Amino acid sequence: GDSVTQMEGPVTLSEEAFLTINCTYTATGYPSLFWYVQYPGEGLQLLLKATKADDKGSNKGFEATYRKETTSFHLEKGSVQVSDSAVYFCALRTYSSASKIIFGSGTRLSIRP
Amino acid sequence: DTAVSQTPKYLVTQMGNDKSIKCEQNLGHDTMYWYKQDSKKFLKIMFSYNNKELIINETVPNRFSPKSPDKAHLNLHINSLELGDSAVYFCASSQAVNTEAFFGQGTRLTVV
Repeated sequence: GDSVTQMEGPVTLSEEAFLTINCTYTATGYPSLFWYVQYPGEGLQLLLKATKADDKGSNKGFEATYRKETTSFHLEKGSVQVSDSAVYFCALRTYSSASKIIFGSGTRLSIRP
Repeated sequence: DTAVSQTPKYLVTQMGNDKSIKCEQNLGHDTMYWYKQDSKKFLKIMFSYNNKELIINETVPNRFSPKSPDKAHLNLHINSLELGDSAVYFCASSQAVNTEAFFGQGTRLTVV
């Protein structure tokens, strides 16, 4: 079945460091891919998305490129801030699972001042 | 104007009780969901409704019964609560297939 695998956390970085959170997927068909962020005590917010191969989603300095050949959608940010501390979820949605979004296990990110 | 709102935000109750969580969306979406997030942050879908019809029931115990009185509302009723039901429950909605979902703030249910 469809699934998402993302790197285990927690990830701890210093402020202004470069961030990569790896995400790979298995899916039938051509999924849309998402990154969601969950700040402490809050719900999930869509961070960025990409709906077809080679699309790049971007928001708030975060980027991820839909790589069909490697079935990956890695999240990157050039210079992280303390306010980026949160749990990040990679997710997919395909027509075969049209009525649900499948999430990875989440990666907790902590940024040190 | 909150897009997806659910109430209550916190719910503490004793084992064996029956409780409900309400969800409303003002986005005009056709599809609504309930997800459960466990203590390790893992998110798993429970139910999905499209135009008030149940289309996904992911092997959830019969004690959980969703009800959708109209497209904008999807409530979750839980009978005979158990300790293992303690989790954060998220309601969400989306417009169509292959589109993102918008999530509510979550309801933290604690069964004691």
